[in-house]
Amino acid sequence: AQKVTQAQTEISVVEKEDVTLDCVYETRDTTYYLFWYKQPPSGELVFLIRRNSFDEQNEISGRYSWNFQKSTSSFNFTITASQVVDSAVYFCALSESSNFGNEKLTFGTGTRLTIIP
Amino acid sequence: DAGVTQSPTHLIKTRGQQVTLRCSPKSGHDTVSWYQQALGQGPQFIFQYYEEEERQRGNFPDRFSGHQFPNYSSELNVNALLLGDSALYLCASSLLSFTEAFFGQGTRLTVV
Repeated sequence: AQKVTQAQTEISVVEKEDVTLDCVYETRDTTYYLFWYKQPPSGELVFLIRRNSFDEQNEISGRYSWNFQKSTSSFNFTITASQVVDSAVYFCALSESSNFGNEKLTFGTGTRLTIIP
Repeated sequence: DAGVTQSPTHLIKTRGQQVTLRCSPKSGHDTVSWYQQALGQGPQFIFQYYEEEERQRGNFPDRFSGHQFPNYSSELNVNALLLGDSALYLCASSLLSFTEAFFGQGTRLTVV
């Protein structure tokens, strides 16, 4: 069975500080996908990144970066020079691949990030 | 290009009633998935529709049912509502050939 653990329930940092959100996953499959979504107060889940299990390269997109380590089953997310607009709940999710293509997402419980001005 | 749209935005129902939630997928998407998000929790997968058929289902009772129309839009029906059904219901659309799922803003259902 798939499982995603986000141990950090809430994090608060002062604006311009760097912050890392942790994600640990469990799966029996060798082919799977990992995601991060942002959920602002409006409720809509905003897609941030998708990473497949064969691509362990770290990725950077502006102030966002992701560290994927299969050896520790972790997919951590770092925001550099945080801004107030980054305040939201962040979800890590896992999807196993199959012949059907897009599989269901298994989400963690989320990390509420508050950036203090 | 309109994204995923859901209606209504908010809904209040009485225990035992039935409710129908609606979702229009992002243009070009053929697969619709529904998720239930209880307060303070991550979304939980309910089911997924493709070509008007239910392809996958999560651990939800038969009170939860759905439908997909030829234009790919979808409905989620919940019968015999319980207080515990109060949640944010999210619809996500994607292409079956696997792309990232795009989510709507959700329908906030309150059962009293």
